[in-house]
Amino acid sequence: SAVISQKPSRDICQRGTSLTIQCQVDSQVTMMFWYRQQPGQSLTLIATANQGSEATYESGFVIDKFPISRPNLTFSTLTVSNMSPEDSSIYLCSVELRANEKLFFGSGTQLSVL
Amino acid sequence: QKEVEQNSGPLSVPEGAIASLNCTYSDRVSQSFFWYRQYSGKSPELIMSIYSNGDKEDGRFTAQLNKASQYVSLLIRDSQPSDSATYLCAVGAGTALIFGKGTTLSVSS
Repeated sequence: SAVISQKPSRDICQRGTSLTIQCQVDSQVTMMFWYRQQPGQSLTLIATANQGSEATYESGFVIDKFPISRPNLTFSTLTVSNMSPEDSSIYLCSVELRANEKLFFGSGTQLSVL
Repeated sequence: QKEVEQNSGPLSVPEGAIASLNCTYSDRVSQSFFWYRQYSGKSPELIMSIYSNGDKEDGRFTAQLNKASQYVSLLIRDSQPSDSATYLCAVGAGTALIFGKGTTLSVSS
């Protein structure tokens, strides 16, 4: 299994500002992902965080809005840039220990944008 | 576009009954299938994984997979009020998992 620490757990931000979310895993993992869960919705994949290279973004998500860093195999950050109220959501870091196996999730970051 | 479809519910069952949750998926080459439970305000937690056609049982939970029909289900026997949550179906599609919108289950005592 994997223990994932995600912070902050929640934040209230002003429109136009940026927030960086950190994800720390207790072991080296190959695959790390960032998901978004909007109110009352399911999880939507934002991007795959690649160690040492640019993240791979899903359709509808762009690097300028959601820059991601992955400096090593245990840590990643997601920044939500130039925030608007539509960015209010839960952001979840997740890791996969082996291909095609289950994902482990961090505790999530509840973001509210005013 | 790869899709995972679930009935949103709510599905209401009395305590002790069997709850049946269903999911269909669009990508025929999917190889791994998961059911997650999510309580309000919490992260998803894995309940069951299934990779081969047929049934897989774990305690009160049974996952069923039919790849020909692109269908996966979750049965919860002897439902308890603590089972009240949203159940997310997730399908392995090459890289990260694709999630359905979830089915809300309510178990009344």
